[in-house]
Amino acid sequence: DGGITQSPKYLFRKEGQNVTLSCEQNLNHDAMYWYRQDPGQGLRLIYYSQIVNDFQKGDIAEGYSVSREKKESFPLTVTSAQKNPTAFYLCASRPGGTGNTIYFGEGSWLTVV
Amino acid sequence: GDSVTQMEGPVTLSEEAFLTINCTYTATGYPSLFWYVQYPGEGLQLLLKATKADDKGSNKGFEATYRKETTSFHLEKGSVQVSDSAVYFCALNDSGFQKLVFGTGTRLLVSP
Repeated sequence: DGGITQSPKYLFRKEGQNVTLSCEQNLNHDAMYWYRQDPGQGLRLIYYSQIVNDFQKGDIAEGYSVSREKKESFPLTVTSAQKNPTAFYLCASRPGGTGNTIYFGEGSWLTVV
Repeated sequence: GDSVTQMEGPVTLSEEAFLTINCTYTATGYPSLFWYVQYPGEGLQLLLKATKADDKGSNKGFEATYRKETTSFHLEKGSVQVSDSAVYFCALNDSGFQKLVFGTGTRLLVSP
């Protein structure tokens, strides 16, 4: 089945540790995105990538890093520099062209303990 | 910059009631407009979209019309069900068509 797969679904991290969230899509989409959602709040853009080997900072990139070495993969690393990393993280992708719909994965819950 | 404003929730309704969730936007150019729905603990699913003025998006009994003159994209449903309980997000493509800008979401609670 085609889709966007995020893993793990639930992740616990100790303070001071880096953690990487995986996002893989087999939709042949050009663009990929990472959003953060805090409880009861909207979505904020962390990073996005329009093509392989290129990505741009979103509104809240500090404390996060990404890579786009392959079209189908866009992993997000939450570094120890992120002061409040506990949140729900959503990966998304979009075909090329204007006005196209963005599709979301099922999300990953990150909790710092 | 581009922005989306949604009515604050929660919106609490009885089953079979009429639903309206207001959404207005500020954007340069002519964005596409979207409604997404999020069920508890899940990602977002596209509910409907409209790509130009006066277009009406519809799906699963929900409707929204792209109103350029009032910069609005209000979500409506004639008769809600308990299974419609979720958080609804209004969004638009930014002026570069590169990313979505979201509203803060509106929680809908439907009781039997």
